[in-house]
Amino acid sequence: NAGVTQTPKFRVLKTGQSMTLLCAQDMNHEYMYWYRQDPGMGLRLIHYSVGEGTTAKGEVPDGYNVSRLKKQNFLLGLESAAPSQTSVYFCASSYSPSYSGRYDADTQYFGPGTRLTVL
Amino acid sequence: SQQGEEDPQALSIQEGENATMNCSYKTSINNLQWYRQNSGRGLVHLILIRSNEREKHSGRLRVTLDTSKKSSSLLITASRAADTASYFCATGAGGFKTIFGAGTRLFVKA
Repeated sequence: NAGVTQTPKFRVLKTGQSMTLLCAQDMNHEYMYWYRQDPGMGLRLIHYSVGEGTTAKGEVPDGYNVSRLKKQNFLLGLESAAPSQTSVYFCASSYSPSYSGRYDADTQYFGPGTRLTVL
Repeated sequence: SQQGEEDPQALSIQEGENATMNCSYKTSINNLQWYRQNSGRGLVHLILIRSNEREKHSGRLRVTLDTSKKSSSLLITASRAADTASYFCATGAGGFKTIFGAGTRLFVKA
């Protein structure tokens, strides 16, 4: 089991450029998430998905788009990168929430992160 | 807005000492989780405690939860240099409703 993987690990963009971050999980999880982590601010949820073909906005969705065409993949897109999007991006996945009856349903499994710099 | 707030923001101790970190939150929760993040890595789940539980143990970790005070603590006993990391509490009703705090940075000196 590879768990949650992210590509790329590092990327430098110029303002206005676009890119896509790829997240893949092999645990058959329903839920997937994209977070950004900035110094002193913990993790902030960008977008999430509760299943294949569905996505929803999180706390800080502006400037990002996502797609979940396959259950195991969750893509995060930046259409026109801005310096304010310089951050470390983490993908995570989990089972459905606790009401599913699983004790560990809420545990999130994280990828290693992508460090993005926008100049 | 952040649900969980860790205290202290940073903690430096000697190897062998115990480390205690606290988390306070604002609204009702189903569970509270603690995660560890080593520098430059993703978060790793440590322990989950349900709202109807008061204490849980896992190896050298002890977590308590006081729902009346809306607070939790993470105790790491007999700390090691390898415990140096940031520790985050995560609260909420599960799934996308899980909210992470800003973390406590722990430094264990050998």
